[in-house]
Amino acid sequence: AQSVTQLDSQVPVFEEAPVELRCNYSSSVSVYLFWYVQYPNQGLQLLLKYLSGSTLVKGINGFEAEFNKSQTSFHLRKPSVHISDTAEYFCAASLKAAGNKLTFGGGTRVLVKP
Amino acid sequence: SQTIHQWPATLVQPVGSPLSLECTVEGTSNPNLYWYRQAAGRGLQLLFYSVGIGQISSEVPQNLSASRPQDRQFILSSKKLLLSDSGFYLCAWISGSYNSPLHFGNGTRLTVT
Repeated sequence: AQSVTQLDSQVPVFEEAPVELRCNYSSSVSVYLFWYVQYPNQGLQLLLKYLSGSTLVKGINGFEAEFNKSQTSFHLRKPSVHISDTAEYFCAASLKAAGNKLTFGGGTRVLVKP
Repeated sequence: SQTIHQWPATLVQPVGSPLSLECTVEGTSNPNLYWYRQAAGRGLQLLFYSVGIGQISSEVPQNLSASRPQDRQFILSSKKLLLSDSGFYLCAWISGSYNSPLHFGNGTRLTVT
């Protein structure tokens, strides 16, 4: 069975500072990896996804993530955050054989301070 | 374009009362449909998924059930709510391709009192 671990439950960061959200997955087979963002009382929106190819993936709102197979990681980064980036971020993984069932990490709450 | 509708947005129900949450998808056919629950301070837990009309798979044993009476309609139900059923319920759909992202509804905040 696969699992997804987000190492930080909360990340406070000052406006215009960089942020990195850590995500590790466990799977013995190839996985597809996603990052989602959830604003308060809303559903989740896709930030970016890794399917294959280049290990550096660029997403919306200036976010990017790097797939590292040897470390089984898919960390999310943004070089300069805005107040509007305050939200909860979820890492997720799916297996081809799993019927499109995404496994989510526990989420990381980002609080951007002025 | 494809859209997903989920209602109601918020719901307060007493313990022991029934529950019915509805989700519909527009602009696509034969989607895979999912119900997730997000409890306070916790991640998302997959409750049910469906690959077609009348086909429901349950991920965890619980007090809830799901049904798919039409291709683009997915309903989450309970006969008698428990306090532990409180949470944020999210419906989602996918086109069927294993590497496609999920598209989420705006969620239903359920409080069982």
